[in-house]
Amino acid sequence: QKEVEQNSGPLSVPEGAIASLNCTYSDRVSQSFFWYRQYSGKSPELIMSIYSNGDKEDGRFTAQLNKASQYVSLLIRDSQPSDSATYLCAVNNKNTGNQFYFGTGTSLTVIP
Amino acid sequence: DVKVTQSSRYLVKRTGEKVFLECVQDMDHENMFWYRQDPGLGLRLIYFSYDVKMKEKGDIPEGYSVSREKKERFSLILESASTNQTSMYLCASSASGEASYEQYFGPGTRLTVT
Repeated sequence: QKEVEQNSGPLSVPEGAIASLNCTYSDRVSQSFFWYRQYSGKSPELIMSIYSNGDKEDGRFTAQLNKASQYVSLLIRDSQPSDSATYLCAVNNKNTGNQFYFGTGTSLTVIP
Repeated sequence: DVKVTQSSRYLVKRTGEKVFLECVQDMDHENMFWYRQDPGLGLRLIYFSYDVKMKEKGDIPEGYSVSREKKERFSLILESASTNQTSMYLCASSASGEASYEQYFGPGTRLTVT
């Protein structure tokens, strides 16, 4: 079983809609969760981090964490064509210190 | 702003050559990481380092070695490059501490081994 799983997509949404990206993880002791955005040919860029259950909002982005169900999600409101990218979920396992486990990413396309 | 730089954006090497990839960060981060990224396989950790002269193997260390002589610099070495090491190589760094695990990536080096 993979440590972190994401639906690879592609996910397509119309401009202005809400894009919902999901991620599940296998290790219950995971404590830190991150979302990265990666444009084609570029390196991952950190957009959100979340450490406790509930919602965390930053502009058009909302991260949601549910440790009991072992999932973390990212909502992008008012999606723009510039949001078209691959979104990577990353999980930190406290037993392995600073090591991250990454999902393989979900490809998002926002259609104008 | 955190800044992580990598020595080359694109690199072409021949099979059997020794290859050095260098990474420098300017945020005084304790932790540094080397990943490779391949289509369908995602990011895979090669090696990481918690401190100067410290190194730990990641998930795929075979065929690679690393060096960290200074805190800001972490080098990845391909002892004898092979075609299956053609990939995008990404360096990242992070601070230490309970709530400081965020990793920041460099721009990446796309390595082609022919």
